[in-house]
Amino acid sequence: AQSVAQPEDQVNVAEGNPLTVKCTYSVSGNPYLFWYVQYPNRGLQFLLKYITGDNLVKGSYGFEAEFNKSQTSFHLKKPSALVSDSALYFCAVRAYSGGSYIPTFGRGTSLIVHP
Amino acid sequence: DGGITQSPKYLFRKEGQNVTLSCEQNLNHDAMYWYRQDPGQGLRLIYYSQIVNDFQKGDIAEGYSVSREKKESFPLTVTSAQKNPTAFYLCASKRTEPRELFFGEGSRLTVL
Repeated sequence: AQSVAQPEDQVNVAEGNPLTVKCTYSVSGNPYLFWYVQYPNRGLQFLLKYITGDNLVKGSYGFEAEFNKSQTSFHLKKPSALVSDSALYFCAVRAYSGGSYIPTFGRGTSLIVHP
Repeated sequence: DGGITQSPKYLFRKEGQNVTLSCEQNLNHDAMYWYRQDPGQGLRLIYYSQIVNDFQKGDIAEGYSVSREKKESFPLTVTSAQKNPTAFYLCASKRTEPRELFFGEGSRLTVL
């Protein structure tokens, strides 16, 4: 079965420190991987994606993610966290199901950045 | 500006009533999706449509129905058969692969 896992329900980090939100995946074939962010009572916003090419992907708001095929991971990173980065983060994978490619999401990780 | 519009933002319903959530997009996207979000459970797929006049069940379709008569519109009906309908509902759309999803702002349904 194809799936994506976010092993941490919550990540706490101090403002100015680097942050990492973890994501691992299990898919057959080439993985298409995505990160989204959600603020309270809002829809999800796209941050970045990996389709092919360079393993380090840069996205919106200073976020980046590193694709690691051997570890089947796609961790989200930022060199210096801001209080305004506090939100719910979702990793997603394009998964093949019932003849179609369906976006499948992890359970989400709540990022809390302390002043 | 292009985007996805969901309405209503908040909706209250009595048990036994059907309710329809609207989702309209002007992005000219072919594919549209409905997800349900519950705390700690991430997003679960209810229904999706890859093209007009065609749709498929997702992982939790029981108690829900959809239609796709126009490219721009993908309404979701929460029927009385849905046993636990209180949730945050998200509509999304995208172009062909390998594109990211565009989301609406969501509709929060509360059953009284």
